Amino acid sequence: NAGVMQNPRHLVRRRGQEARLRCSPMKGHSHVYWYRQLPEEGLKFMVYLQKENIIDESGMPKERFSAEFPKEGPSILRIQQVVRGDSAAYFCASSPRRLRLPGANVLTFGAGSRLTVL
Amino acid sequence: AQTVTQSQPEMSVQEAETVTLSCTYDTSESDYYLFWYKQPPSRQMILVIRQEAYKQQNATENRFSVNFQKAAKSFSLKISDSQLGDAAMYFCAYRSEVTSGTYKYIFGTGTRLKVLA
Repeated sequence: NAGVMQNPRHLVRRRGQEARLRCSPMKGHSHVYWYRQLPEEGLKFMVYLQKENIIDESGMPKERFSAEFPKEGPSILRIQQVVRGDSAAYFCASSPRRLRLPGANVLTFGAGSRLTVL
Repeated sequence: AQTVTQSQPEMSVQEAETVTLSCTYDTSESDYYLFWYKQPPSRQMILVIRQEAYKQQNATENRFSVNFQKAAKSFSLKISDSQLGDAAMYFCAYRSEVTSGTYKYIFGTGTRLKVLA
């Protein structure tokens, strides 16, 4: 039972390029979250998605950032025209449906994707 | 809006001793979940323990236990018999269970735990 899979693990981009980060949730999980972690800082919520729906994107910058979770395939976090301030670790996490069952409300994290903008 | 505060940026503990990490949160909701996650140098986030707000009994998981004070909105983590492998960043997290909420998880800024041999 593979966990949350993120790729690439490391991505280097030059300023102005696009970055695409992919996340495959755990099998059976229908909720995906994206978080950003700057060096020596905590996790900042970006966006929460279910299949084909963005539920909450209140933490995502209004410009250049977008996220999707299509019916088929992984969730994708897309950053257009990257700037040096986008350099960070981006974590994806997934959870199953919201039920009062053991483990139902626990986030399972991927290993993260580290974006470096030159 | 809910907030999570970890007031200790860094803590140290001697191997085999006990350490307590603090976490406070602010919410107007009565039903929610609280979590402690560990992030070792590998950066992989690992769930340590979780607590349902409707349960009065403090959660325990082997050497890890919490002191959940709902009225004070406090959720501290106690690590007993500390081991070198416990060295990591520890994050406290909150998640609403209100049906009108978005169920996003809110994390504190973390406490770096150092374990001294």
